[in-house]
This record gives sequence, C-alpha cells and structure tokens, in this order.
Amino acid sequence: GAGVSQSPSNKVTEKGKDVELRCDPISGHTALYWYRQSLGQGLEFLIYFQGNSAPDKSGLPSDRFSAERTGGSVSTLTIQRTQQEDSAVYLCASSEVYRRDTEAFFGQGTRLTVV
Amino acid sequence: EDQVTQSPEALRLQEGESSSLNCSYTVSGLRGLFWYRQDPGKGPEFLFTLYSAGEEKEKERLKATLTKKESFLHITAPKPEDSATYLCAVGGKEVTGGGNKLTFGTGTQLKVEL
Repeated sequence: GAGVSQSPSNKVTEKGKDVELRCDPISGHTALYWYRQSLGQGLEFLIYFQGNSAPDKSGLPSDRFSAERTGGSVSTLTIQRTQQEDSAVYLCASSEVYRRDTEAFFGQGTRLTVV
Repeated sequence: EDQVTQSPEALRLQEGESSSLNCSYTVSGLRGLFWYRQDPGKGPEFLFTLYSAGEEKEKERLKATLTKKESFLHITAPKPEDSATYLCAVGGKEVTGGGNKLTFGTGTQLKVEL
C-alpha cells in the first residue's frame, strides 16, 4: 500500500483479555518500529524490527508485551492480560534503514481502551 | 539517556502572526533531529530532518533550524490549517542491527485562529 496501515483503528477490551494489534508497513521498508502514545506523554519507543528479527526490544514495558514480524512485512503486537494502564494509542512506523535521512513514516495508530 | 524538551506546550496565534517553537535536546551522538506534525486522531506526519548545527530546511510556511543544543520550528504568517501538534524527536546512537530509534518530546499544540 501507499502508507503504513494499522488495524484495528480502535479497540476496547476488558481488563485481563489479550489483544493483537496489526501493522502493515510501506512495501520495501526493512525497518519497523512500534511506539506507544499515552495521554499527555511523548511517543514512547517499544520495539524495533530489522527484517523479521527484533534487535531492540528495550522499550517493551513488561513480559505481557510481545511482537513478531513475518515475511519482512506485517507485524503484530500482542498484549496479554491487558491492564488499564495499557490504554494508549499504539503507533507503528516503517523506514528504509539503510538511508541516512531515515525518516520514519507512521500509521494512523490503534487506540486501545482497557475497561 | 537521550532527552527532548519542547516549549511552549501550547501556543495560540492569530492568522498571519509569525512565531517559533523550541525543541531542546541532549543526545549521545545525534543521528538526526526530526520534526513531525500530528493532527488529532492521526499518526505523526514527517516534516524535516536536520543533521548538523547550522542546517536549515524550509517547507511552505515552516522553517526548521538546528544548533548543538536546540532546534526551532519557525512558522511564518500561519494559517488555520497549520493548527496541529508539532513533535520533535532525536535519533541517538545507532541501535543494534541498524535503525534509528527516536526519542520524542511531548509536543507543542498550535492553534491558529482567524
């Protein structure tokens, strides 16, 4: 597609349930990032993929969070046993990692609400 | 640890009233300073990348400048459609495996009124 696509746009889930958030990056972009944006907070880095591997997972807040990427394309962020503090907008971005002016292009985000 | 501070938090301008947004940063090895625009309910939209002190870039009514400690986003004769949150981010030292992990500020919410 022309841009980064995320689904669903909105997700309301009950506390304790698992959720999966999907990101479809720009075709040919090898780098993929997940960020989280909480109300009043800056974007917070979660995880980075280079191809299908994740060399940097340092931003994942707990072991309830995991992510995978398949075929060097689509990525899924999974949150297990959701808590209310997980409520936020989850943003995915992709970039061509081997260029110096490596700007990241963002999707529209998934707004997660845990009730 | 990389840090980014943006000011002011919010700014209200009249149409045509020029102003500047500030982004102060500390980073170990700058790999780029990025400006993004974010409209409500949408993801950030890339505006500029700056790499070295003294560099400037322009796009329509926006001009971004960079020093060793801060960046400014100058808005000349703004229009209501420039209303958005402007985010500043720095790319620090290269992460394992390449890539450019960004540290973001909390943004400046700009409102331009007629």
